[in-house]
Amino acid sequence: GAVVSQHPSWVICKSGTSVKIECRSLDFQATTMFWYRQFPKQSLMLMATSNEGSKATYEQGVEKDKFLINHASLTLSTLTVTSAHPEDSSFYICSAPPGLDYNEQFFGPGTRLTVL
Amino acid sequence: DAKTTQPNSMESNEEEPVHLPCNHSTISGTDYIHWYRQLPSQGPEYVIHGLTSNVNNRMASLAIAEDRKSSTLILHRATLRDAAVYYCILRDSSYKLIFGSGTRLLVRP
Repeated sequence: GAVVSQHPSWVICKSGTSVKIECRSLDFQATTMFWYRQFPKQSLMLMATSNEGSKATYEQGVEKDKFLINHASLTLSTLTVTSAHPEDSSFYICSAPPGLDYNEQFFGPGTRLTVL
Repeated sequence: DAKTTQPNSMESNEEEPVHLPCNHSTISGTDYIHWYRQLPSQGPEYVIHGLTSNVNNRMASLAIAEDRKSSTLILHRATLRDAAVYYCILRDSSYKLIFGSGTRLLVRP
């Protein structure tokens, strides 16, 4: 099946720094990608929809200036957590539907962010 | 977004069938029913989806009630590798997946 990768798989940073997380579709093109956040023992929460060639659309309550999303190509979307704080520590996961088939989305393995 | 209701947890014995229920009484006519599962510290994995008719694939079967207000994911022979959190999700025309709390499946050897 299709593969979505994320880099890095984990990152530890100091409070106040910015962290960039990459999401790549390895064997298909994705005009749309989705970013989720998951706190321990909780479900996934959709943060935003990343659209290739246009601005991302954010879910209610998600700060677009804090979570910068750039969909630079049909295979790459990046999420930058700006001025990270300990409360931003979470598991960040991206997903992408292959082509025009939105019935099956492929998820990345996730990136665990720890902010000290 | 339409909501789904699932039991918090279920248990099964290895090699026995498992029926995971999901209620979605506010489903609209164009909502698809999707199931994903998530193993610990991994991203979710697609399991199956359907609209009105029952569906089968290599992983599972999906039984959809005639009024579409509920559905059941069926794992025909549970293995230890099937232990995961199973999410029942209604997908509308926006293509976004809104995850609920899911059912944690424990498989006993």
